[in-house]
Amino acid sequence: QVRLQESGPGLVKPSETLSLTCTVSGGAISSRSYYWAWIRQSPGKGLEWLGSVWYNGDTYYKTSLKSRVTISVDISRNQFALRLPSVTAADSAVYYCARQPLVGDYFDSWGQGGLVSVSS
Amino acid sequence: DIQMTQSPSSVSASVGDRVTLTCRASQDIKTWLAWYQQKPGTAPKLLISRASNLQSGVPSRFSGSGSGTDFTLTINNLQPEDFATYYCQQTNTFPRALTFGGGTKVEI
Repeated sequence: QVRLQESGPGLVKPSETLSLTCTVSGGAISSRSYYWAWIRQSPGKGLEWLGSVWYNGDTYYKTSLKSRVTISVDISRNQFALRLPSVTAADSAVYYCARQPLVGDYFDSWGQGGLVSVSS
Repeated sequence: DIQMTQSPSSVSASVGDRVTLTCRASQDIKTWLAWYQQKPGTAPKLLISRASNLQSGVPSRFSGSGSGTDFTLTINNLQPEDFATYYCQQTNTFPRALTFGGGTKVEI
């Protein structure tokens, strides 16, 4: 059974870069059957899909965040990562990584989530 | 982007009740809809895909229906472990967008 685990700082200063990593176990991130996604949840905005990456590095981002979000994949480490520069308080949220089947585009496995607060 | 509207925002129910939750899309998404259950402090859990496909391991008291713009999630014989928040998600417009509804909280 696949498991996903987020890691990274829980506190980021305004204007700095939020960086999170998701480690996948119990399954290969190189599988061609899945995308790997980042989703965040905040009280004000609910659940928000940020973007997805395929094993070959192809990326797909939420249109309104396209200029800010970078998602990358590291097959050798079975990890994928999120980078969000120039953060503000509005970026404070619980960040989840998730697995997204190519056929369906829902999220069938999720990490436990990591709370990231943006504050000086 | 397609907007997803869930109603009601919260519902009070008792063990054994039948509960029907509604999700409406701002445009036709055919049957590209998923439902999730989320309990406090945990990640959402996928219940249903393609509007009515129950995921493996999900109790049969959960069912989904609908197509186009109007969808429902029905929970028959509500159990104590079913008190949670339920979200719908449209999966029709990837890779441009994947959007969630605002959720319905099922309370005792």
